[in-house]
Amino acid sequence: GAVVSQHPSWVICKSGTSVKIECRSLDFQATTMFWYRQFPKQSLMLMATSNEGSKATYEQGVEKDKFLINHASLTLSTLTVTSAHPEDSSFYICSARDLGDNSPLHFGNGTRLTVT
Amino acid sequence: KNQVEQSPQSLIILEGKNCTLQCNYTVSPFSNLRWYKQDTGRGPVSLTIMTFSENTKSNGRYTATLDADTKQSSLHITASQLSDSASYICVVSHSNDYKLSFGAGTTVTVRA
Repeated sequence: GAVVSQHPSWVICKSGTSVKIECRSLDFQATTMFWYRQFPKQSLMLMATSNEGSKATYEQGVEKDKFLINHASLTLSTLTVTSAHPEDSSFYICSARDLGDNSPLHFGNGTRLTVT
Repeated sequence: KNQVEQSPQSLIILEGKNCTLQCNYTVSPFSNLRWYKQDTGRGPVSLTIMTFSENTKSNGRYTATLDADTKQSSLHITASQLSDSASYICVVSHSNDYKLSFGAGTTVTVRA
């Protein structure tokens, strides 16, 4: 079945540094990928929609200059958390849709980011 | 106000027992409703997808129902197993722009 691979699964970084998270669709092409963050015991919150070959669409309240998204190919989207702060510590998850709106949305296994 | 409300917030059941989770939504018009299972520290995994014309869909011991008139859905877990311990998330897709609205999830704990 369709698989979305997310890397790394966890990362610890120091304040002020940048961290890049990769999201790959392994056996299908995804023109659109989604990035979420999830705080403990809360549901996923959509951060942005990543469109292949064009600029990402950010949700209200999400700083596009802080969370840089690049979707350079049909199988890869990256999220870069720039100048990370401890409050950026969270669980970041990506997802991709295989084909059509009624197809399953495949999620990556998430990246646990801890900023010290 | 969240357009997808789930209840209960959490529940504990004994292994082998059944349970039912509820999802009420106000999204309109909607394209489809999905139930996902999310293990702790992992990404969500799709259990079922239903369009507005479907009333029920099963996936093993998981059975989802949908009443588009009352805008309610339920997920029934039969003969629960320890591995069913997870968060179950209801997700509704908007027809107009295919945006997704997520419920806050129900945390299920199955005890031996």
